Amino acid sequence: KQEVTQIPAALSVPEGENLVLNCSFTDSAIYNLQWFRQDPGKGLTSLLLIQSSQREQTSGRLNASLDKSSGRSTLYIAASQPGDSATYLCAVRRRGSRLTFGEGTQLTVNP
Amino acid sequence: NAGVTQTPKFQVLKTGQSMTLQCAQDMNHNSMYWYRQDPGMGLRLIYYSASEGTTDKGEVPNGYNVSRLNKREFSLRLESAAPSQTSVYFCASSEHYSSWPFFGPGTRLTVL
Repeated sequence: KQEVTQIPAALSVPEGENLVLNCSFTDSAIYNLQWFRQDPGKGLTSLLLIQSSQREQTSGRLNASLDKSSGRSTLYIAASQPGDSATYLCAVRRRGSRLTFGEGTQLTVNP
Repeated sequence: NAGVTQTPKFQVLKTGQSMTLQCAQDMNHNSMYWYRQDPGMGLRLIYYSASEGTTDKGEVPNGYNVSRLNKREFSLRLESAAPSQTSVYFCASSEHYSSWPFFGPGTRLTVL
């Protein structure tokens, strides 16, 4: 059974800092991996999707990497801003199967 | 273009009561999903509908039923609510089963 773990569970940083969020998964036979953002009381917003054949994806200040063989993905946020404060979740999918979500990292960026 | 909408936003039930959570999407997506989110458990799939006319159990289906009313609408029913069903419920849709999902804003349900 696929298990997804996100470390740390919570992170607080000063504005402007670069930071890395970690996601690990137990079954490396994944089809793709996605990073989501969730604001308090809101639904999830998809940020980046990495196919199993890809190593990384970038969108603005966000960069997600994937190392399938080691079962790891990282989400790098450059020059963090207070507006980046949210919970970040990763999810993995096997081909033809459902998404398995991690529990998320709650990020606070302090002005 | 509203995306995925859910009603109600909040609900309090007593143990044993029944209710239906409604979900609709206007993106012409084929697949729809119901998740629940609990502290320390992440999001878990309750039921999904890969295409109109089909529904399948997810990871935690016990105590729930679903109806894919048409391509747009996918409802989740609790026949006899239990305190263990206190959670935040999210509906999502995607173009196909393996596509990028779009999530609704959630329904916060408390069962007393």
